[in-house]
Parts: sequence; C-alpha cells; structure tokens
Amino acid sequence: DAGVTQSPTHLIKTRGQQVTLRCSPKSGHDTVSWYQQALGQGPQFIFQYYEEEERQRGNFPDRFSGHQFPNYSSELNVNALLLGDSALYLCASSLGQGVNTEAFFGQGTRLTVV
Amino acid sequence: AQSVAQPEDQVNVAEGNPLTVKCTYSVSGNPYLFWYVQYPNRGLQFLLKYITGDNLVKGSYGFEAEFNKSQTSFHLKKPSALVSDSALYFCAVRDMWKDTGRRALTFGSGTRLQVQP
Repeated sequence: DAGVTQSPTHLIKTRGQQVTLRCSPKSGHDTVSWYQQALGQGPQFIFQYYEEEERQRGNFPDRFSGHQFPNYSSELNVNALLLGDSALYLCASSLGQGVNTEAFFGQGTRLTVV
Repeated sequence: AQSVAQPEDQVNVAEGNPLTVKCTYSVSGNPYLFWYVQYPNRGLQFLLKYITGDNLVKGSYGFEAEFNKSQTSFHLKKPSALVSDSALYFCAVRDMWKDTGRRALTFGSGTRLQVQP
C-alpha cells in the first residue's frame, strides 16, 4: 500500500518564478492538506482540499494556490517566489474531515529559492 | 488563539532511561491532540492521538502520552529510550475554526530528542 507520495523531492527556483508541487494521497484517502515547514520550525498549515474544493486556509497570501483532481491527488502552486518561501513543503492526506482523523504525511518537497 | 507549546528545544537521555517530551496546549473547546515524529529528510510519522477517554494513550514504537486537562499538557513518554528514537518530535492540536467550525492541525515548534548510547 503506497503511502503519501510527493514530487519532486528537491527543487531550486529563482525569485519571481512560479512553482508547482504535486501530491498523491494514501490509497483510500480523499482529503489533502498542505503545510510549509521552515528550517527549525514546526509545519504551518497552508490549506486543505476536499471534494476538489479548498475547505480551509491558513495565514498564507494568495500567491499560494492549489487544486485537487477527481482522483484526489493535489497540486500546490506558488507564484512570484520570494526567498522566504524556501522551506520543506509537506502534503498530508486523511479520510474525511473528522476531528479524530490522523493525517499521514509525505516525505516532502524541499524548495530552495535563490 | 489556539496554540501548542513545546518548551524544550532539545532533550538528552541515555539509552535505557525513561524519556519525557513536554507539550502544553491552549484551545477554546475540547482538545484533540496528536504526536508526530520526524526523521532526517523524511516527512512526519503519526505516533498517537488523544480524542477522549483514558488520559494515558498508547501509541507506536512503545510511546505513550499522558493527557492532563488541569495542566493543559500532553507529554510524550517512553519507559526505556532507544538510540533509534533520536529524532524531531512534534505535538499538534486540531483547532476548531470559529467561523466555519472546520479544522486544521496546529503544530508546536518541535523538540529534538537525542538518545546517547
């Protein structure tokens, strides 16, 4: 049973560019959340997708956008990259949005903005 | 605002000794609490959760956590530490968003556990 898979694992971009990160959820999971983990910090919630719609959003600017496909996979897009966007981006999947549902995380995409 | 605090950046313990990683939380309603572990260059792995019921929760790899409502704490524990337990540990709380009632995980800043042979 494949867990949560993310691609690519590493990425280097230049300031001002745009980037797309991809996530395939754990088999059977229908909800995908994205987190940003800066060096030395805990993950910060970006947004969550369920039934192809953004359901919740953290304190991130509109430069961060996403999409969920009918097969539940998801993309995170970041426009006009800033140096401060350099971080590990984690995708987490879960089944539904229940309060007691644990999230399963992928290995992350390390984004470096230069 | 709902939040999680992990007061120790690093915890050092000798192999075979008991370990405790501390976590305190602040929420407006009922707390839904989680512990995750992160190994180098890896994502987060779920260890255990508290939703309701017994204050002592047992999880993966011999870890357990004690929920204390009066102290608003959810400390992670293990009776006998292993060198392989060395990793970064995160406590998290599931928030209730006041406007929509929907939920997201809020993480603490993490505690690095070093187990010496």
